[in-house]
Amino acid sequence: DSGVTQTPKHLITATGQRVTLRCSPRSGDLSVYWYQQSLDQGLQFLIHYYNGEERAKGNILERFSAQQFPDLHSELNLSSLELGDSALYFCASSVDGGLGYEQYFGPGTRLTVT
Amino acid sequence: GENVEQHPSTLSVQEGDSAVIKCTYSDSASNYFPWYKQELGKGPQLIIDIRSNVGEKKDQRIAVTLNKTAKHFSLHITETQPEDSAVYFCAARLPDYKLSFGAGTTVTVRA
Repeated sequence: DSGVTQTPKHLITATGQRVTLRCSPRSGDLSVYWYQQSLDQGLQFLIHYYNGEERAKGNILERFSAQQFPDLHSELNLSSLELGDSALYFCASSVDGGLGYEQYFGPGTRLTVT
Repeated sequence: GENVEQHPSTLSVQEGDSAVIKCTYSDSASNYFPWYKQELGKGPQLIIDIRSNVGEKKDQRIAVTLNKTAKHFSLHITETQPEDSAVYFCAARLPDYKLSFGAGTTVTVRA
């Protein structure tokens, strides 16, 4: 158990809908990273938040957005869902200070868009 | 950005034998190289990592080597066991903290 929690574990929704994925980082970690894992694209970095502020963006679609709250949990919002958005979504957390840059992954949310 | 290539895509080894996975990266600014193990239905688990100022690191049956000049790094698993069967990912991180992952290697340990 990495100490990173994600909810829900599974999500099934229809095209055009909007969903919110939630992540709680390990205790003491200030950074949250979101990744998408699909069969054809592998593990792709989406976005990074550090202590409430967006720090870096990767290949994140405009239909997707994220935020990190004062208690450091993060939410990834996916809107106008398409079939191709079906994937595993992982968050990872790290301290990002001193020597603590290791990223620890949560168990993921499996999103199925029908 | 960083581009990480990983080989082989699949690896089958006899229990007790060694397994080696190799990765290359493109950006010489990358300074941190973790390896993750992902079992079916689970998130990637960090198993070992190495920083750019170190050439080799070992943790029990797992070792990682880094050649900065050639921009490649490798994972070595010795005395493989059935529980080593999983998908392994290498990654490289640039100073902006973004991790770029290889495509993964599916390791099967035959009993």
